[in-house]
Amino acid sequence: GQQVMQIPQYQHVQEGEDFTTYCNSSTTLSNIQWYKQRPGGHPVFLIQLVKSGEVKKQKRLTFQFGEAKKNSSLHITATQTTDVGTYFCAGPGSSASKIIFGSGTRLSIRP
Amino acid sequence: NAGVTQTPKFQVLKTGQSMTLQCAQDMNHNSMYWYRQDPGMGLRLIYYSASEGTTDKGEVPNGYNVSRLNKREFSLRLESAAPSQTSVYFCASSERGHVGYTFGSGTRLTVV
Repeated sequence: GQQVMQIPQYQHVQEGEDFTTYCNSSTTLSNIQWYKQRPGGHPVFLIQLVKSGEVKKQKRLTFQFGEAKKNSSLHITATQTTDVGTYFCAGPGSSASKIIFGSGTRLSIRP
Repeated sequence: NAGVTQTPKFQVLKTGQSMTLQCAQDMNHNSMYWYRQDPGMGLRLIYYSASEGTTDKGEVPNGYNVSRLNKREFSLRLESAAPSQTSVYFCASSERGHVGYTFGSGTRLTVV
């Protein structure tokens, strides 16, 4: 079935350093979504990318969708303690009514 | 502006007991979903309901049943709980399609 693979599983950075997580699919994706889950919290929708090569920014967060629409990345510039959490990508499942989540990248930060 | 409300927030069950997790959304969304989250396993889809009156199996449906009671409510039932069902359960909803899920705050279930 449809799968999205996400790397790395964990990332521990010094506050102020940059952070990147990658999402890869073996098949072309019609779109990809990103979610953030704070420790002890629930996933919160961040953004959706639809177009080949699309780049979107939300303050210090930059989201990219690959030209072949098989991969995506989330880059955080100058991390802050508020960025701590797990970041998930999600792609369409086998039906139009569901999405499949990647395994997530857990970001922790040394103050 | 409650969004997605899940009850209960915490539950401890003995093996073999049954229970129903409740979920309600007030955003007039068509689709609703139940996920479980285990350490290192991400979010796995148990069941979903694309629209009122329909339900479909997800990746890990065994041991669970669901009911889409109306457009607002989607419940998840464990008929005979097992320790392997110890997990955090999230309900989510979305407009028709698969964009921008809104999640509830979760139910932390322990089966002993």
